[in-house]
This record gives sequence, structure tokens and C-alpha cells, in this order.
Amino acid sequence: GNSVTQMEGPVTLSEEAFLTINCTYTATGYPSLFWYVQYPGEGLQLLLKATKADDKGSNKGFEATYRKETTSFHLEKGSVQVSDSAVYFCALAPSGGYNKLIFGAGTRLAVHP
Amino acid sequence: DAGVIQSPRHEVTEMGQEVTLRCKPISGHNSLFWYRQTMMRGLELLIYFNNNVPIDDSGMPEDRFSAKMPNASFSTLKIQPSEPRDSAVYFCASSFRASGYEQYFGPGTRLTVT
Repeated sequence: GNSVTQMEGPVTLSEEAFLTINCTYTATGYPSLFWYVQYPGEGLQLLLKATKADDKGSNKGFEATYRKETTSFHLEKGSVQVSDSAVYFCALAPSGGYNKLIFGAGTRLAVHP
Repeated sequence: DAGVIQSPRHEVTEMGQEVTLRCKPISGHNSLFWYRQTMMRGLELLIYFNNNVPIDDSGMPEDRFSAKMPNASFSTLKIQPSEPRDSAVYFCASSFRASGYEQYFGPGTRLTVT
């Protein structure tokens, strides 16, 4: 079946540190892959996406590359800010599905000054 | 666009009472999703609709939960009777398949059942 596995949090970093949040998936066919972010007290927001192998999604300094050979979609940012503190969700849309997304458990990021 | 609109934003009710949560999707979107989020269980998909038709309600916890989508611009999630374990944040999201499956989430309804 389809599933998404994320690294467990919380991830605690100092401002300007490098961020990696690991995400691997299991799916048949060619799913689309997403990263969503949830700030405290808010709903999830789309951060970036990739729809085919080797695509790189990027937004707000974050980026992730769709790696079919390793079934991964790791989120990276070169220099995090306090305002990046949030919960990050990796998700996939199965190919041929009805828009249904399969979400990972979420990874909480805390950035300290 | 106003985005996905949910009401109420906060609901406090007593055990045994009926609770109705409301959602207005983004105009033109043809899929609508109801999620529940708790610390213990994370984000759970309860039910989703495509073109106003329920496609998958396997995530609905039990018969106390029901959802309707009478038209393309409105959906409700009802809990009757409510129980303390239903306390959670309930999110509605909508999407349009041609846009690439990305879902747009509302701000959520925080439900507390005492």
C-alpha cells in the first residue's frame, strides 16, 4: 500500500543552522510528493511539491528533490530562522487517485535564537 | 479568493450534545476532505468527497459521525452524541484535480467536549 515515513521530532536547531528532515515513501506507480507546513494555531499550508522523478521543489529557501531510486523526498534548508519553527508534513498523492493525500506523522522543528 | 472557510473556529460543548462543523471550500474546487488532528493520533483523514459524492468514509470513527455535502460550496460534519474523546481540531480542505492534487486547508475548528 501507500505510506509515508518521516523522521521523528522534535528537531531543535539554532538560528542559521542547516536543516534536513528525512522523508521516505512507499507507493506504486508515480506519485506526486509534497511538503506541507503547519504553524502554531493554523491549518496546513503547501510548502513545495514535485510531480515526477528528479524534480526539485523549492519555496522560501526550502527545497526537496524527488528521488525515485531511493524513494525519498528529504526537506532541506541552508539557514533556518526562528520563524521556521513549525510542524512539517511529508505527503504523497497516489497516481490515479481521487486527490487523496497520504500524510506522514509530521516533524516538529524548533529554532532557537 | 477567501480560501477555505470553516465555522465555528472554536466550539465547547457538553458530552451528549450534537455538534455541527461547517466548511465552505474554495470556489471551483471539486474535492473536499475532512481531517481530525490530535496530539495522540496526529492527522487523520475522516472522509472525502469528489463532486459532492462521498468517495471514502473509512476514516469516520463510528456511527456518531456523519458528513454531508449538499452542494459544491458547502459541507457539514456532524457528531451526535459528542463524547470527550472527540475533542480535537477538525480541518476541512479542498482541491482541484487539474491543479495537481494539492490541498488547501482551512484554519480548523477546535472542538472541546466536556
